[in-house]
Amino acid sequence: GAGVSQSPSNKVTEKGKDVELRCDPISGHTALYWYRQSLGQGLEFLIYFQGNSAPDKSGLPSDRFSAERTGGSVSTLTIQRTQQEDSAVYLCASSRSGVQETQYFGPGTRLLVL
Amino acid sequence: DQQVKQNSPSLSVQEGRISILNCDYTNSMFDYFLWYKKYPAEGPTFLISISSIKDKNEDGRFTVFLNKSAKHLSLHIVPSQPGDSAVYFCAASGVTGGGNKLTFGTGTQLKVEL
Repeated sequence: GAGVSQSPSNKVTEKGKDVELRCDPISGHTALYWYRQSLGQGLEFLIYFQGNSAPDKSGLPSDRFSAERTGGSVSTLTIQRTQQEDSAVYLCASSRSGVQETQYFGPGTRLLVL
Repeated sequence: DQQVKQNSPSLSVQEGRISILNCDYTNSMFDYFLWYKKYPAEGPTFLISISSIKDKNEDGRFTVFLNKSAKHLSLHIVPSQPGDSAVYFCAASGVTGGGNKLTFGTGTQLKVEL
């Protein structure tokens, strides 16, 4: 079956602009996660959605970052007023449920803020 | 604070020999551990996982060992193949220690030489 897909694959934007990143999880997966990997760093957790529960936003680095998940499927990560330090690879993952389930990752969106 | 540590940024092994990648963690609430492999410009690919109720899990050429008392896990690849050359990430989660989000190490670059 299809894996996790993300779009766009690459995004170049100017400082101060808003960007939207999209994630399509694996069909039937109820849990969806966003992570980012900055240059030379490990993956950093951003936000987690599980079914209809309130999302775990504990990893979002600032209030410029927000995410939503519509209809329990597709998710959009929005970064407002982008800064150069937001440049990173943004990775989405999904799992069948939340508890000790393997997370499967998409290919990522490479964001460069000039 | 870095709760999951991979102290070796790189490892070089000859084809056919064993590769041993190490990972240490500090959060005693972690109860599920995973290894991911990542090629450049791709998302992480799941390799193998282990629950804290076990001390070993094997899948083909890959074996993960967990030493809870030492808060240490390792990934063994036998025999190593050139296609195994990639960055390997250790990750951990805990239902009561941060929820289902994964905490990642910074990765180890494995190079398998002919």
